[in-house]
Amino acid sequence: DTAVSQTPKYLVTQMGNDKSIKCEQNLGHDTMYWYKQDSKKFLKIMFSYNNKELIINETVPNRFSPKSPDKAHLNLHINSLELGDSAVYFCASSLLRRTDTQYFGPGTRLTVL
Amino acid sequence: EDQVTQSPEALRLQEGESSSLNCSYTVSGLRGLFWYRQDPGKGPEFLFTLYSAGEEKEKERLKATLTKKESFLHITAPKPEDSATYLCAVQETAAGNKLTFGGGTRVLVKP
Repeated sequence: DTAVSQTPKYLVTQMGNDKSIKCEQNLGHDTMYWYKQDSKKFLKIMFSYNNKELIINETVPNRFSPKSPDKAHLNLHINSLELGDSAVYFCASSLLRRTDTQYFGPGTRLTVL
Repeated sequence: EDQVTQSPEALRLQEGESSSLNCSYTVSGLRGLFWYRQDPGKGPEFLFTLYSAGEEKEKERLKATLTKKESFLHITAPKPEDSATYLCAVQETAAGNKLTFGGGTRVLVKP
């Protein structure tokens, strides 16, 4: 059974478009995250939600908007895509009391042309 | 600002050739240091958490150690299946549940 799943796995789109990435976890965790991994492989936190409440909001453009309909889902919507948004986006989840042990999804490779 | 630096960037080993990876960090207060493994095309997979200087953790051929300024991941007698990128991350006491990752060390173990 997949623990943390993301869709789509690959996303190729034109500049200026709006796109969404979906994430679901079936681990019973209460905290979810979005990370961005750039071409140099640095993994950087973007957002974190605990029980549908935003608890980490790093300095990311407001074109990026996370949405958590329930604690098992955290989606990422990106407006007006730019070339620099090309990266691999990872969703992760954990228990709030065990944020050291985060379980990552397989990633979504976004390519903006 | 937190800084996590990993070295070397890449490491090529012969099967059975032991080596160590380094993770140096600068934080105002360390809550924990974590090691993850990432295979190509996949998300990182948790390996270890270290909380205080002098602590050690082991898993199969991997052993992680922690000092006040750095952590080492020792790979003893590696096998080709140990080939992966190893990521180090820190969590600062004043930063909630935020993890700050280093750039990783790509390890290739040749048979």
